[in-house]
Amino acid sequence: NAGVMQNPRHLVRRRGQEARLRCSPMKGHSHVYWYRQLPEEGLKFMVYLQKENIIDESGMPKERFSAEFPKEGPSILRIQQVVRGDSAAYFCASSPGQGRLLANYGYTFGSGTRLTVV
Amino acid sequence: QQPVQSPQAVILREGEDAVINCSSSKALYSVHWYRQKHGEAPVFLMILLKGGEQKGHEKISASFNEKKQQSSLYLTASQLSYSGTYFCGTENTGNQFYFGTGTSLTVIP
Repeated sequence: NAGVMQNPRHLVRRRGQEARLRCSPMKGHSHVYWYRQLPEEGLKFMVYLQKENIIDESGMPKERFSAEFPKEGPSILRIQQVVRGDSAAYFCASSPGQGRLLANYGYTFGSGTRLTVV
Repeated sequence: QQPVQSPQAVILREGEDAVINCSSSKALYSVHWYRQKHGEAPVFLMILLKGGEQKGHEKISASFNEKKQQSSLYLTASQLSYSGTYFCGTENTGNQFYFGTGTSLTVIP
């Protein structure tokens, strides 16, 4: 079982460019969550998705950020016209079954994508 | 709504014990605990459910006081490998989940 796969591990973008972050959940997991982590800070919830549906995007900035989880393929977090303040580690997590959390499983996190905007 | 953890940071010598606390202002359904090493992904340690029993994982255990909306993580006879940042995560009765502020734990020889 390959676990949650994120790519790329590191991404450098110039201000104004687009960043695309990919996340493939664990086999058998249909729930995907994106978190942002600034250096030396905690994990901030961004969005929760199931296949073809956004369930909760209350943590997503209103502009420039979007997320999708298509029927086929990985979940994508897209940041348009990046700014220096977008520099952070972006973690994807997945969970199995129905509902947001399933007892005894918790979240399984990917290794993250470190985005640097120059 | 973000749960508050205390202490913010702690330094231990190998073999010493530590307690990390997590407190929420909302009625809780469950509490998770994760450990994150520098530059790595958070790793799930355990989950405690409302009405459930105290959980344990090797020499790391946790309790959940539903009335006080608090959880505590207990690390006994700490090892060097325990170093990292510990996060609690709380799910409230409104199905909202938030990670805590984090506690940095450093174990020295």
